[in-house]
Amino acid sequence: AQSVTQLGSHVSVSEGALVLLRCNYSSSVPPYLFWYVQYPNQGLQLLLKYTSAATLVKGINGFEAEFKKSETSFHLTKPSAHMSDAAEYFCAVSPSGGSNYKLTFGKGTLLTVNP
Amino acid sequence: DAGVTQSPTHLIKTRGQHVTLRCSPISGHKSVSWYQQVLGQGPQFIFQYYEKEERGRGNFPDRFSARQFPNYSSELNVNALLLGDSALYLCASSLTQGSNTEAFFGQGTRLTVV
Repeated sequence: AQSVTQLGSHVSVSEGALVLLRCNYSSSVPPYLFWYVQYPNQGLQLLLKYTSAATLVKGINGFEAEFKKSETSFHLTKPSAHMSDAAEYFCAVSPSGGSNYKLTFGKGTLLTVNP
Repeated sequence: DAGVTQSPTHLIKTRGQHVTLRCSPISGHKSVSWYQQVLGQGPQFIFQYYEKEERGRGNFPDRFSARQFPNYSSELNVNALLLGDSALYLCASSLTQGSNTEAFFGQGTRLTVV
């Protein structure tokens, strides 16, 4: 079984500041890990994914995340926040190597960017 | 190229009614998954279909059913609607059924049960 815990339901940063969104996972098998972004009244857009290659994953819009097995974490970062980054962010896990594409999502973190 | 399209975008139903939601995957994608997103929560997995067969089912009651057609489009059906079924229903398509392939999400159908 897999689960995801996102620490902080709401994160507020100033424009130009570091963005750090936290995600811890639990998985009985080696996981694949994902970060998705959701803008108001929109579906989900994939930011980046970890599928057992490099542990530091670079995604779109300047975001990156590092897989740390010892800490069971997959935190999302961006060096400098833009106003356009304001959205809800979801961390998700799925079992690696399986034929069943089942994403298990966290509850989400709402990112607010202040001018 | 068209992305994942879902219809309708919004829907209001009465308790006890039945609803059908539709999803057209990206051209060439053979896998369709359905998710329910209740307000303030992350999406929850309902079903996955690949090559017209059910390949996975989440923890939802039998009132929820789905199918995939020969053109890989899909329908999600919910019977005997409850107030708690009010949610955004998301469809995602991917090339294959493997979890290492990217899932592309539609904009969802907002279902309100009154």
